[in-house]
Amino acid sequence: DAKTTQPPSMDCAEGRAANLPCNHSTISGNEYVYWYRQIHSQGPQYIIHGLKNNETNEMASLIITEDRKSSTLILPHATLRDTAVYYCIVRAPGAGSYQLTFGKGTKLSVIP
Amino acid sequence: GAVVSQHPSRVICKSGTSVKIECRSLDFQATTMFWYRQFPKKSLMLMATSNEGSKATYEQGVEKDKFLINHASLTLSTLTVTSAHPEDSSFYICSATETSTDTQYFGPGTRLTVL
Repeated sequence: DAKTTQPPSMDCAEGRAANLPCNHSTISGNEYVYWYRQIHSQGPQYIIHGLKNNETNEMASLIITEDRKSSTLILPHATLRDTAVYYCIVRAPGAGSYQLTFGKGTKLSVIP
Repeated sequence: GAVVSQHPSRVICKSGTSVKIECRSLDFQATTMFWYRQFPKKSLMLMATSNEGSKATYEQGVEKDKFLINHASLTLSTLTVTSAHPEDSSFYICSATETSTDTQYFGPGTRLTVL
């Protein structure tokens, strides 16, 4: 799986959009971009994933650049409960039997 | 999304005893589950891959005789920490893959403290 690079930490004001970047310049053509988050003392929570088109669900939006070398997770209206470590993971499809490799992620702090 | 549960959520035990942790996929079947360990302020580290009906695959450095894994059904995998020692104190997390979406879902984790 391709390696990802994320900033170690970010702050966001409550109510504002949180934009979390991820670089994955070595991504292969068939690899998906997955985002998870881990709130303190809890297991990771699946947020969203995509291949090349932008994706949106009830939690967030995922914007993937045209060359697929980077992506941005957008939390449209951050709340205090969104404070967590966010992980960007690149993974091949159909490899559901394969483990996920977690990097250090981005620690997002939502500030009142 | 799919739900994965773990039990217990927190356990304290004496050194030398064994502890069993259960991981269940509540609304889907999972032929493969994963067990991770996380130390304070560190990222998740994979311990082993649990396959239904067959032996688990352990990562390098993880003792298979100490961390016994059983995946007897498509919805249940168990991790038993045998002869636990204080250095085994950690946060243990399982995950399972929901095949229709090819997405892994994680349990809430089990905090193990060995005195």
